Amino acid sequence: KAGVTQTPRYLIKTRGQQVTLSCSPISGHRSVSWYQQTPGQGLQFLFEYFSETQRNKGNFPGRFSGRQFSNSRSEMNVSTLELGDSALYLCASSSRRSLGDEQYFGPGTRLTVT
Amino acid sequence: SQQGEEDPQALSIQEGENATMNCSYKTSINNLQWYRQNSGRGLVHLILIRSNEREKHSGRLRVTLDTSKKSSSLLITASRAADTASYFCATDADTGGFKTIFGAGTRLFVKA
Repeated sequence: KAGVTQTPRYLIKTRGQQVTLSCSPISGHRSVSWYQQTPGQGLQFLFEYFSETQRNKGNFPGRFSGRQFSNSRSEMNVSTLELGDSALYLCASSSRRSLGDEQYFGPGTRLTVT
Repeated sequence: SQQGEEDPQALSIQEGENATMNCSYKTSINNLQWYRQNSGRGLVHLILIRSNEREKHSGRLRVTLDTSKKSSSLLITASRAADTASYFCATDADTGGFKTIFGAGTRLFVKA
């Protein structure tokens, strides 16, 4: 069973640009969650999608958005990039039929904003 | 803001020794999970303990949960150099959707 894949793995962008990150969950998983990891703030929850619907959202500005497609693949978009958006972005998939279902993490996309 | 606070922030031990990491959280939870992360890579799920459980074992891992104190501990017995990693606790509260909140993590270094 293939794991969670994230593309691209590394990305360098300039302030003010926008970026789209992609996550392909494990086959059969309908839930995809996104997290931002920085040295200063640690791992922070961005949002979770389940069957194309955003079920929950963390405390991030509206510049951060996401979506999920019918095949459960998910994308997150960050517009008007700021230096502080430099981070490792992790996605995780889960069957999420109920609380406690294990999350499987991808390797992450490392975004550097210059 | 993060839910969990972990203690210690960093831990250095010799191979063969036991490593204990603690986690405290703030709100009511449905379950608590521990993850490992090697050098800024993706996280690996280690163990989950539900709010109605007090202790759980998995191989060399032992997790305890005290909901009255809102705290959990992860014990790694007979540590190995390969256990060198960052360890995070994470909590799930049903907020009308699932929202996993991670602690700040403990960096464990096991010396061979």
